[in-house]
Amino acid sequence: GENVEQHPSTLSVQEGDSAVIKCTYSDSASNYFPWYKQELGKRPQLIIDIRSNVGEKKDQRIAVTLNKTAKHFSLHITETQPEDSAVYFCTMDSNYQLIWGAGTKLIIKP
Amino acid sequence: NAGVMQNPRHLVRRRGQEARLRCSPVKGHSHVYWYRQLPEEGLKFMVYLQKENIIDESGMPKERFSAEFPKEGPSILRIQQVVRGDSAAYFCASSPRASTNTGELFFGEGSRLTVL
Repeated sequence: GENVEQHPSTLSVQEGDSAVIKCTYSDSASNYFPWYKQELGKRPQLIIDIRSNVGEKKDQRIAVTLNKTAKHFSLHITETQPEDSAVYFCTMDSNYQLIWGAGTKLIIKP
Repeated sequence: NAGVMQNPRHLVRRRGQEARLRCSPVKGHSHVYWYRQLPEEGLKFMVYLQKENIIDESGMPKERFSAEFPKEGPSILRIQQVVRGDSAAYFCASSPRASTNTGELFFGEGSRLTVL
């Protein structure tokens, strides 16, 4: 079935540095790739999304890139801040459902 | 505007008991999705419902699990004869349209089931 691989599982960066999370997927029919942020004990919250007709999208300190040919997409966070600490999930849509990566725990060191 | 409301937020059950989880979607949303999240993992799709209809239950175990979304009232996920492996966070999401690729999927805060 459809699958999303996400790396790394844990990422620790110095405050102010950049963080990059990468995902690869198997279902070439997917056209929508949202990213979610989940704080401990909270619900997932959509932070940015990208569609297959676009290669890159940026929203302030967050950017996402998509390479449909290679079937991978990435999340980039620049100038990281303590409030960026959370678990980040890449997802893709497939027949009424979202397929989720296993998550990346982002730790921002002061 | 109230978001997706789930209750209870925390539920403790002993093995063999029943668990009922409720989800009230965003007002005006007629599409409801249930996901399960085990510790340290991403969410796994369980079931997609529209009012009074189950559209896709491919992610829900055939035994002990059932879901409904009646004409009136919240959507309910029911787990009979719970086992320890059912311990997880169960998230409900709603949307105004059938497709999940519109960016209009809203999640509740989840119901955390602990089976002793």
